[in-house]
Amino acid sequence: LAKTTQPISMDSYEGQEVNITCSHNNIATNDYITWYQQFPSQGPRFIIQGYKTKVTNEVASLFIPADRKSSTLSLPRVSLSDTAVYYCLGLPSSNTGKLIFGQGTTLQVKP
Amino acid sequence: EAQVTQNPRYLITVTGKKLTVTCSQNMNHEYMSWYRQDPGLGLRQIYYSMNVEVTDKGDVPEGYKVSRKEKRNFPLILESPSPNQTSLYFCASSLTRWNTEAFFGQGTRLTVV
Repeated sequence: LAKTTQPISMDSYEGQEVNITCSHNNIATNDYITWYQQFPSQGPRFIIQGYKTKVTNEVASLFIPADRKSSTLSLPRVSLSDTAVYYCLGLPSSNTGKLIFGQGTTLQVKP
Repeated sequence: EAQVTQNPRYLITVTGKKLTVTCSQNMNHEYMSWYRQDPGLGLRQIYYSMNVEVTDKGDVPEGYKVSRKEKRNFPLILESPSPNQTSLYFCASSLTRWNTEAFFGQGTRLTVV
């Protein structure tokens, strides 16, 4: 199970591209990296997941280099509504299925 | 629409008065769980269920009960709520315990006075 490290907070302005990096030095061979978004007082929402190289969907892109020790969530042209906490996770606990949410990165988008 | 529905969204109750928070999913998921979220402590798992009639304790199960009589429903029961159970609660479901994509409910903000 990968232990993940992210910046506590980031600021950005509307229209900018935001990149949030997550470190996971001890990632296992079978670990996928998953990102969730959480708005205040709402449940976390799955955004994207990947194993290596680049994955893109309608919300974000995820870059994972060949060594897989880090990953970068890229949000293109953010708006005020992208203000949220973003979590980087490894696989669920194989015994309990628990998702390990760290502190996450609080992204504040300013006008 | 695929969703996890929790009720109620907000609840204020008094110490010792039994309450139930309901959770229902419409995706035929095997795995369901409950988390509580507190400032500075993040999301912590209370109980989980791998399938009907199969439930087990998570990291913070004291003061809570659950049941899984049907696949879609996973209620959280507080037999005798105490103020330290004041928190934001989330129900979640996923296809199996190994799936990374989980669906979370809207949350229940519980205040125990």
